[in-house]
Amino acid sequence: DAGVIQSPRHEVTEMGQEVTLRCKPISGHDYLFWYRQTMMRGLELLIYFNNNVPIDDSGMPEDRFSAKMPNASFSTLKIQPSEPRDSAVYFCASSFIGLRGKLFFGSGTQLSVL
Amino acid sequence: AQTVTQSQPEMSVQEAETVTLSCTYDTSESNYYLFWYKQPPSRQMILVIRQEAYKQQNATENRFSVNFQKAAKSFSLKISDSQLGDTAMYFCAFMKHRSMNRDDKIIFGKGTRLHILP
Repeated sequence: DAGVIQSPRHEVTEMGQEVTLRCKPISGHDYLFWYRQTMMRGLELLIYFNNNVPIDDSGMPEDRFSAKMPNASFSTLKIQPSEPRDSAVYFCASSFIGLRGKLFFGSGTQLSVL
Repeated sequence: AQTVTQSQPEMSVQEAETVTLSCTYDTSESNYYLFWYKQPPSRQMILVIRQEAYKQQNATENRFSVNFQKAAKSFSLKISDSQLGDTAMYFCAFMKHRSMNRDDKIIFGKGTRLHILP
């Protein structure tokens, strides 16, 4: 298996632009998590899905952020409009209940908003 | 709400030495999982070790072991015979044991950056 695939690996955009981050989880995994990593705040959980259904989005910073999982093999995290404070590394991770909390992470998307 | 605290932002040790990374957590749950994840400079997050709270025996994985003190809510990671490849950010994490409420989220601490010096 190729593991969790995220794209793009790097994204540089200007303030006010829409940004879409993409994630393909490992086949057979029914949990998908979006995390954001910054120096100041560490690794924050933004939202997670189970069987394509959002379970907890309490970590989503504000209405500018939205996430979808239209099917078991694809998820997106969208920021519209983007702001410089959104600059961070965004990780997607997948798992299933039998793994007892073992997450498989993608390589992350380094987002820079200028 | 659960919280995970790592009080050491950064540490450095000489190669081959033993190093201990600290983690404390706060929860009212009686059954849960604790984890240490490693993030090397490549940015890829990898699970190092896992402890189930109902197990009294400390988990070990080769050179990595934990000291789990449930009453103190402490979960430290010991790396023996440290190697240059151990240089990474280490994250402590917590997850409730799956319950009827289906709270399956995994909460991470802010991390400890570990440098292994040649």
